[in-house]
Amino acid sequence: GENVEQHPSTLSVQEGDSAVIKCTYSDSASNYFPWYKQELGKGPQLIIDIRSNVGEKKDQRIAVTLNKTAKHFSLHITETQPEDSAVYFCAASNLDGQNFVFGPGTRLSVLP
Amino acid sequence: DAGITQSPRHKVTETGTPVTLRCHQTENHRYMYWYRQDPGHGLRLIHYSYGVKDTDKGEVSDGYSVSRSKTEDFLLTLESATSSQTSVYFCAIEQAGSANEQFFGPGTRLTVL
Repeated sequence: GENVEQHPSTLSVQEGDSAVIKCTYSDSASNYFPWYKQELGKGPQLIIDIRSNVGEKKDQRIAVTLNKTAKHFSLHITETQPEDSAVYFCAASNLDGQNFVFGPGTRLSVLP
Repeated sequence: DAGITQSPRHKVTETGTPVTLRCHQTENHRYMYWYRQDPGHGLRLIHYSYGVKDTDKGEVSDGYSVSRSKTEDFLLTLESATSSQTSVYFCAIEQAGSANEQFFGPGTRLTVL
């Protein structure tokens, strides 16, 4: 089955710097890759996603890149702000959607 | 928040007792999911439902059962709770036409003593 690895497990950056979180997956049939942000005491919130027919997607300060050949995808946050501090999860899924597999998470701390 | 509520939000119970968690949605979504979240494991799928009375197992289904008698409610039951089932449980829905996008409820923190 699918296996998703995520690095780093913790990341600290200065406010205004960029943050990059990387995930790798094992199943070449996976074609949907969402990223979730989870704040303390809350459920995960979908922040951006990418499908296998595109290589990059951007939404304001957040971007995701996908390399299907290498089976990895990354989350890029630019101009980080303290409110970006949270745990971020990547996931991989195939078309039927019933086998979402999540990475273990990255705790991002943005230092003022 | 995709109209998802979970109840209870917190529960402490003892080993061997039955526990039922409820997920309620208000927007008539067909697909509903139950996950557990543990440190170092991210979220792992327990069971999911693709319609009333239509359910299937996920990655970590042992020790859990589910029921969906109405579109809006998806119940997760631990028939005889064990300490290894101490976790945070999240319900999620997949919006029709969203092509795999899942949206999560606020979670239930369950402690089994």
